[in-house]
Amino acid sequence: EADIYQTPRYLVIGTGKKITLECSQTMGHDKMYWYQQDPGMELHLIHYSYGVNSTEKGDLSSESTVSRIRTEHFPLTLESARPSHTSQYLCASSRRYNEQFFGPGTRLTVL
Amino acid sequence: AQSVTQPDIHITVSEGASLELRCNYSYGATPYLFWYVQSPGQGLQLLLKYFSGDTLVQGIKGFEAEFKRSQSSFNLRKPSVHWSDAAEYFCAVRMDSNYQLIWGAGTKLIIKP
Repeated sequence: EADIYQTPRYLVIGTGKKITLECSQTMGHDKMYWYQQDPGMELHLIHYSYGVNSTEKGDLSSESTVSRIRTEHFPLTLESARPSHTSQYLCASSRRYNEQFFGPGTRLTVL
Repeated sequence: AQSVTQPDIHITVSEGASLELRCNYSYGATPYLFWYVQSPGQGLQLLLKYFSGDTLVQGIKGFEAEFKRSQSSFNLRKPSVHWSDAAEYFCAVRMDSNYQLIWGAGTKLIIKP
């Protein structure tokens, strides 16, 4: 079983608040990813990292930012949450052959 | 452009019946192929993968998939579905060398009792 954790699992927050979604993995994977997924829809890559101090934007434009200071930690931050940010956020990691392991997700609701 | 197509948005199958979920991709070479399953409110779990070799691959939970190069397909099958198989199934393909996956839109599997 993959060891990748996301907190919080659920978050309801008001517009304008700053939030950080946490993602940690204990598998030593160098590659990590953030996806955004609306209910019943496909996954959209919003950020990825190939290692410490490496971050890139994905295919879907996002107002969020990420950091990768430690191999195991890949937090996502929204400086000012808006209702359009309401979605599920999935974190994943991989080492080789791009077999990605997923966390349980964070369901974000911005009021 | 490279793409992954899952033509069926929803599929309804009776419990105990066989299942086939379709996945097609557009790419000139042989990609790395994956099937994932997502239960409601959860993350994704890898069912099986194909990189090379035998084109029929076995996965977890009794699933299998067959890579057909001539049809650019990687269809997922199960001989007898259980109510617990009700979930969303995603096909994903890695085509380039940038370690990213291209995802299908998913197929929602509904199980009739």
